[in-house]
Amino acid sequence: KNEVEQSPQNLTAQEGEFITINCSYSVGISALHWLQQHPGGGIVSLFMLSSGKKKHGRLIATINIQEKHSSLHITASHPRDSAVYICAVRSGDDKIIFGKGTRLHILP
Amino acid sequence: DTGVSQNPRHKITKRGQNVTFRCDPISEHNRLYWYRQTLGQGPEFLTYFQNEAQLEKSRLLSDRFSAERPKGSFSTLEIQRTEQGDSAMYLCASSLVLGVGIYSGNTIYFGEGSWLTVV
Repeated sequence: KNEVEQSPQNLTAQEGEFITINCSYSVGISALHWLQQHPGGGIVSLFMLSSGKKKHGRLIATINIQEKHSSLHITASHPRDSAVYICAVRSGDDKIIFGKGTRLHILP
Repeated sequence: DTGVSQNPRHKITKRGQNVTFRCDPISEHNRLYWYRQTLGQGPEFLTYFQNEAQLEKSRLLSDRFSAERPKGSFSTLEIQRTEQGDSAMYLCASSLVLGVGIYSGNTIYFGEGSWLTVV
């Protein structure tokens, strides 16, 4: 079992829909990152969380440390949101462990 | 500071050739990580440095791979005698670590990756 699990692996939705991507982890962490990667592109950091909730535009990220779970939400989704979203945790010994990513496709 | 910089961004090479990638981290960051990402997978750990010391290497890092960070600043990842299975994106990241078990609160910065295609 991977130390960082994401679900779903693939998600296709219509423009405007509310999107939720989940991340569960099994190790102790000091922080969790949500990353975005467009096809053939580099990785962009969206959020770093150690507790609670953060919001940036149409993106919201939450984390529950006790349950070892985080969610990334996208409101009013748009085709330009189509990308791979990756959850990465910073473990207690400062290593970075990545999930396998969620491939999101928003249809116009 | 412009963030973590990786060069080259794209490299196409013939099988058997050597390639070298360079990563320039955030200037004050003492920790530097290398990851590899193949198609459809999340990035997988290769190695990391604390200043100039290479603290850990993954079993993914075969003897054809070598990474250095000679002055504790930029790092290079060299792949010798490339194979088609080496085709991947090589990702560098950096962070500031204050000490064991001490969370600096600083985020991790990621490079844009170096894409390698071995033909």
